[in-house]
Amino acid sequence: ELKVEQNPLFLSMQEGKNYTIYCNYSTTSDRLYWYRQDPGKSLESLFVLLSNGAVKQEGRLMASLDTKARLSTLHITAAVHDLSATYFCAVDTRTWGGSEKLVFGKGTKLTVNP
Amino acid sequence: DAGVIQSPRHEVTEMGQEVTLRCKPISGHNSLFWYRQTMMRGLELLIYFNNNVPIDDSGMPEDRFSAKMPNASFSTLKIQPSEPRDSAVYFCASFPGGTSQETQYFGPGTRLLVL
Repeated sequence: ELKVEQNPLFLSMQEGKNYTIYCNYSTTSDRLYWYRQDPGKSLESLFVLLSNGAVKQEGRLMASLDTKARLSTLHITAAVHDLSATYFCAVDTRTWGGSEKLVFGKGTKLTVNP
Repeated sequence: DAGVIQSPRHEVTEMGQEVTLRCKPISGHNSLFWYRQTMMRGLELLIYFNNNVPIDDSGMPEDRFSAKMPNASFSTLKIQPSEPRDSAVYFCASFPGGTSQETQYFGPGTRLLVL
């Protein structure tokens, strides 16, 4: 059974600081996703990482994937208050036929303080 | 595109009542997923369909839950009878398929409260 672990689960940081969220998973996969969820809202896709060594950046967020280590990171640079949200990683358990079944981590609740 | 559409957005019902949640996926997407989100258990996959066919319903908690996808543009998740522990946010998501750089697109969710 695929397990996905995120840490930390809660992160409080000051504006302007850098930090990294980690996502470890237990079985082989080469597709990993990061989502953002604001309170009371739905999940919004941030990044799709499709291969070992993949790196994607959008604004102050950068995500990477190391399939050999079964590890993805979401790095936050110079945090701002607008980044406060819960961030989920999800790993693809792609089965025969190409259907995309995802297993989600528990999420990291990020609070950026002024 | 309007995105994934779910209805109702909020539902309050009493224990024992039947609840039906509805989802319209993005046109052209061939996979549809139903998730449940609670504080205690996080985001759980209940069931997913590929080309309207249920592929994996191992996440459906018990026989009180059932899901159908009669055509490519509509799916329902039914709870009968409902119980207070079913209170959660239920998300529907759709996926276009293939090996593209696509992801699952989530609907706004249905917030269910069973009293």
